[in-house]
Amino acid sequence: DAKTTQPNSMESNEEEPVHLPCNHSTISGTDYIHWYRQLPSQGPEYVIHGLTSNVNNRMASLAIAEDRKSSTLILHRATLRDAAVYYCIRYSGGSNYKLTFGKGTLLTVNP
Amino acid sequence: NAGVTQTPKFQVLKTGQSMTLQCAQDMNHNSMYWYRQDPGMGLRLIYYSASEGTTDKGEVPNGYNVSRLNKREFSLRLESAAPSQTSVYFCASSEAVGVANEKLFFGSGTQLSVL
Repeated sequence: DAKTTQPNSMESNEEEPVHLPCNHSTISGTDYIHWYRQLPSQGPEYVIHGLTSNVNNRMASLAIAEDRKSSTLILHRATLRDAAVYYCIRYSGGSNYKLTFGKGTLLTVNP
Repeated sequence: NAGVTQTPKFQVLKTGQSMTLQCAQDMNHNSMYWYRQDPGMGLRLIYYSASEGTTDKGEVPNGYNVSRLNKREFSLRLESAAPSQTSVYFCASSEAVGVANEKLFFGSGTQLSVL
């Protein structure tokens, strides 16, 4: 079972950086690490994904530990619009589709 | 720039009634999915369709049927609704299924209540 461990909730202040941790200690060499977020009353939206090296896009950065057993999603300057549930998912693909969403981390952003 | 469109947005059913949730995507994606989300829970996969003409069961398929009508549309049918099917339903699509770095694109959901 491709599980990850995330804190249930985190708080941040507006315009400050946010580091959302994810533990995936049993990750295999072919597992990608995906992050999605779900804003209130909306469907999940893709944030970022990576395999081994750190990744950046317009939404966030993904820092992957050298041993790949953990990763951190970094929001460089949190805004109120970033308040959401953030899901960390490990997925290796394959014919038996199993991209599984756990409970995620509820991020609260204070003004 | 519609992406994935789900209808209806809200629905109330009585136990035993039937209904079909509609989903359409305009991104020319091959694969489509139906998930359900219960309060305080993550998303659970009901069914998916790797390509037009194929469907496969996910984690929680009981009580549901699906139809991949064409490349754009993937519908979810509840033949005899039960209160346990009260949930928010999300449709998603991707270019392909089973690809490790594939992105999913989700609709905005259908809130279904079964009384």
